[in-house]
Amino acid sequence: DTEVTQTPKHLVMGMTNKKSLKCEQHMGHRAMYWYKQKAKKPPELMFVYSYEKLSINESVPSRFSPECPNSSLLNLHLHALQPEDSALYLCASRNRALNTEAFFGQGTRLTVV
Amino acid sequence: DAKTTQPPSMDCAEGRAANLPCNHSTISGNEYVYWYRQIHSQGPQYIIHGLKNNETNEMASLIITEDRKSSTLILPHATLRDTAVYYCIVRVALTNAGKSTFGDGTTLTVKP
Repeated sequence: DTEVTQTPKHLVMGMTNKKSLKCEQHMGHRAMYWYKQKAKKPPELMFVYSYEKLSINESVPSRFSPECPNSSLLNLHLHALQPEDSALYLCASRNRALNTEAFFGQGTRLTVV
Repeated sequence: DAKTTQPPSMDCAEGRAANLPCNHSTISGNEYVYWYRQIHSQGPQYIIHGLKNNETNEMASLIITEDRKSSTLILPHATLRDTAVYYCIVRVALTNAGKSTFGDGTTLTVKP
């Protein structure tokens, strides 16, 4: 199983809503990542988790709250988002112990209305 | 992580080789070169990576110059399905989570 599964695939939320994005992998990877990608732009790193602990936060606003409840699961909790937060949110995982590539999920297309 | 520079776009005829260049003149000795591609609205897909030597796998070949300041990704027989944005990334090869910073990439369009 070399998949990173993200749910939902599409999400529309209002600016006062609270929602969560979910990412799951069963490859035993202990490094997991959240990226944000705006249209026609490269992915931008948001957060890095290493062994279930937050190791990098790229100065992301607090309305985005990551969580890594176990080694297979990564969540991104969303609250009070703005329309400019609409983007493709990508999750990735990587085997920390080896110099291997990152595996990406297909992303969640988020629209904030 | 070192920065990379890629041409914004390239065209290639179907069946011909696609050669995608990447400059990484500030690369450090312990940084690998990785290539990913992203087909429209999908997640990035790993292609290949290397340190010094040329590498080949079932998808592509990677040619790294001797001074390691640039590299070329070669798709030997491009197909229409290879139309995508190709990203060249350099990252430290340490056993930590680290981070991969994407540059602007090259949009490759394979034409019939």
